[in-house]
Amino acid sequence: RKEVEQDPGPFNVPEGATVAFNCTYSNSASQSFFWYRQDCRKEPKLLMSVYSSGNEDGRFTAQLNRASQYISLLIRDSKLSDSATYLCVVNMRGYSSASKIIFGSGTRLSIRP
Amino acid sequence: NAGVMQNPRHLVRRRGQEARLRCSPMKGHSHVYWYRQLPEEGLKFMVYLQKENIIDESGMPKERFSAEFPKEGPSILRIQQVVRGDSAAYFCASSPRGGTQETQYFGPGTRLLVL
Repeated sequence: RKEVEQDPGPFNVPEGATVAFNCTYSNSASQSFFWYRQDCRKEPKLLMSVYSSGNEDGRFTAQLNRASQYISLLIRDSKLSDSATYLCVVNMRGYSSASKIIFGSGTRLSIRP
Repeated sequence: NAGVMQNPRHLVRRRGQEARLRCSPMKGHSHVYWYRQLPEEGLKFMVYLQKENIIDESGMPKERFSAEFPKEGPSILRIQQVVRGDSAAYFCASSPRGGTQETQYFGPGTRLLVL
């Protein structure tokens, strides 16, 4: 089983739709969680951190469920510019007190006019 | 404040040659991370360095790959005797501190093609 698993996608939705992605992680020692977006052939960029209480940033809402070990990302009123690959990132403490960062393989989202 | 810089952006090598990838972190950042991304796959952690120290190299292949982050100058990821399977995008990220809550800022990547 992969340490971080995401919806495989691709998601192809019309502009204005609401879309949700899920991500599950296997290590209960995971300490912090993030969503990044990656445009084609570009570097990943932080979209938002995910907090235990859930958090919202404009049209984006992220939630964490530690008991079930999953995080989610909800995008409301999707725009054409939201088309990208969304990466779930889980950060856990590795040996030597070093960070160990696990990236999901990404969910591809395509918004159509 | 310039972001994370990587060079070269594209690198072509023949099998058996050496590849050197450079990463200059953001100003004030002393923690550097290297990742590899194969086509159509996610990023895979390779190594985490702090100035002059390798903190975590659990993702590095045991042979041919090495990394350093000297006191002065950029971090370097070195791949000796490259093979076709090394063709990938190599991303560097930096953060000001190394805690689990720290955001990592990514460079534009170096795309390595091995012929």
